[in-house]
Amino acid sequence: AQKITQTQPGMFVQEKEAVTLDCTYDTSDPSYGLFWYKQPSSGEMIFLIYQGSYDQQNATEGRYSLNFQKARKSANLVISASQLGDSAMYFCAMRGAYNQGGKLIFGQGTELSVKP
Amino acid sequence: NAGVMQNPRHLVRRRGQEARLRCSPMKGHSHVYWYRQLPEEGLKFMVYLQKENIIDESGMPKERFSAEFPKEGPSILRIQQVVRGDSAAYFCASSPMGLAGGPATTGELFFGEGSRLTVL
Repeated sequence: AQKITQTQPGMFVQEKEAVTLDCTYDTSDPSYGLFWYKQPSSGEMIFLIYQGSYDQQNATEGRYSLNFQKARKSANLVISASQLGDSAMYFCAMRGAYNQGGKLIFGQGTELSVKP
Repeated sequence: NAGVMQNPRHLVRRRGQEARLRCSPMKGHSHVYWYRQLPEEGLKFMVYLQKENIIDESGMPKERFSAEFPKEGPSILRIQQVVRGDSAAYFCASSPMGLAGGPATTGELFFGEGSRLTVL
């Protein structure tokens, strides 16, 4: 069975500093995708970044980068130069192969608070 | 190009009433997923549908909950005889058809803004 674990219920970071949000996963599928979503207080789910299991390089999207360590089964999100608007819940998710129906399995989330 | 549309955004029901939540996927998407988010928790998978078919309902409660995605019209998540524990945000997501007729394994699911159900 697939599983996603986020062990940090809450994190604080000073504005303009970098922060790492942890995510570990468990799967026996050789092909999978890893995602990070942001959920601000308004409630919508905002896609941030994607990493495929066969991707050789870590994914980057602007200030977001994904530190993918396949052997350790970790997919940590790094946010550089934090902004006040980054304060939100962050969810790590995994998507399995076609025979898993393509559904996303989410972690418990990490609440990030950016301090001015 | 409209995104995933969910309505109503907010719904209040009394215990014992029925709740119907609607989801129109993005244009060209034929795969719909429903998720439930209880307060202070992550999203939990409920059901995955394609047009006129339920593909995976492993996350659906055995009673009172049903879902459909008809050939025409939106997908509907129906909760009968609601109880206070059903109060949650219900998210719909859609995905384009991938190779071999299945959902793409790359790329994100596109989420709606959610429907927030409050049971009094």
